[in-house]
Amino acid sequence: DAMVIQNPRYQVTQFGKPVTLSCSQTLNHNVMYWYQQKSSQAPKLLFHYYDKDFNNEADTPDNFQSRRPNTSFCFLDIRSPGLGDAAMYLCATSRGAMGEAYEQYFGPGTRLTVT
Amino acid sequence: AQSVSQHNHHVILSEAASLELGCNYSYGGTVNLFWYVQYPGQHLQLLLKYFSGDPLVKGIKGFEAEFIKSKFSFNLRKPSVQWSDTAEYFCAVTSPGFSGGYNKLIFGAGTRLAVHP
Repeated sequence: DAMVIQNPRYQVTQFGKPVTLSCSQTLNHNVMYWYQQKSSQAPKLLFHYYDKDFNNEADTPDNFQSRRPNTSFCFLDIRSPGLGDAAMYLCATSRGAMGEAYEQYFGPGTRLTVT
Repeated sequence: AQSVSQHNHHVILSEAASLELGCNYSYGGTVNLFWYVQYPGQHLQLLLKYFSGDPLVKGIKGFEAEFIKSKFSFNLRKPSVQWSDTAEYFCAVTSPGFSGGYNKLIFGAGTRLAVHP
């Protein structure tokens, strides 16, 4: 039944040590998104892929990168995590970007701790 | 810049009380509006959505929301809450005018609802 899967659910990394978060989907959706959500704040879009077309938000730090090797998988790479990058990272998908396709489906999130 | 404001960060109610959570957005163009709910330990789930047509939208679990374009508002309501409604509620907006037409969701900061038996 799981539609948007995120692994791991909890990730601990050291300051400056690269980390990769994983997202997969069984919905065959064209669009995949990564959000960052800090405690008591709104989820904030980092970037998204429409098929292979990568779209970075203007204020997303260069420290954050993403890869989408195929329709089902998308990865978030944090090259040198800082203490300020500790957050919940949410992956979401949508069928497309027009009309009823606007609905996004979210995964359970990965909580990242930086020590 | 586009933004979403949720007026109450924390709401505490007793069971059977009525609920209204405020949401205002700042964007003058065509919008699609959403309410998402996050139950403790679970992922964000869609509660209801507005794309067009009747501004009064009914969602799951007895929730409804009314889009008032002149007030840039999309308030969430439920006539009688239950303990199981304890969760965090997020209002979100998107528009064809955002990000070149792609599906950029802008979220409010959320409202934590606690319902006491």
